[in-house]
Amino acid sequence: KAGVTQTPRYLIKTRGQQVTLSCSPISGHRSVSWYQQTPGQGLQFLFEYFSETQRNKGNFPGRFSGRQFSNSRSEMNVSTLELGDSALYLCASSSLAPVTDTQYFGPGTRLTVL
Amino acid sequence: SQKIEQNSEALNIQEGKTATLTCNYTNYSPAYLQWYRQDPGRGPVFLLLIRENEKEKRKERLKVTFDTTLKQSLFHITASQPADSATYLCALDQTGANNLFFGTGTRLTVIP
Repeated sequence: KAGVTQTPRYLIKTRGQQVTLSCSPISGHRSVSWYQQTPGQGLQFLFEYFSETQRNKGNFPGRFSGRQFSNSRSEMNVSTLELGDSALYLCASSSLAPVTDTQYFGPGTRLTVL
Repeated sequence: SQKIEQNSEALNIQEGKTATLTCNYTNYSPAYLQWYRQDPGRGPVFLLLIRENEKEKRKERLKVTFDTTLKQSLFHITASQPADSATYLCALDQTGANNLFFGTGTRLTVIP
């Protein structure tokens, strides 16, 4: 099976712009979670989608949003970018719900905000 | 406040020895605890999951223990190899809904 894929891998934006990141889960996986990783804060949970519904949301401002499509692919959007949004954005997919299952992470999208 | 602390930011160990990594948490009631490995520039890779009613789990050279009274998990790598060098992350799941809270990680270096 192909792993979790994320596009693009690298992105450079300027403050005030918006960005959309994409995640394709492993085939058959219906849950997709998004995380932000920074050197200072580590890995922090953004939100999780299952069957096109957001089930959980982390403690991030409303500028961070996401969605999931019927084929389980997911996108996250960050509007009005700030310098502090520079981070590695990771998505992870898993198959079982509602019980926790192994999460398979993608390689991440490295976002740099100038 | 809620905290997940991993014993040290970096740990160096001689090849062949057992590496022991610690994960302590406060103000969480995890239903599950997971350990991941992360290499530079890559996403975390799942290693082991242990449930709150389990004391110990093993997989090949890996062993994890979970003490909900002490609010601590220990992660052991026996017969460590240079290829085990990576950052190891513990993660708590309180709800079983794929919402993981991660520790800051321990960077393990195995010296040949």
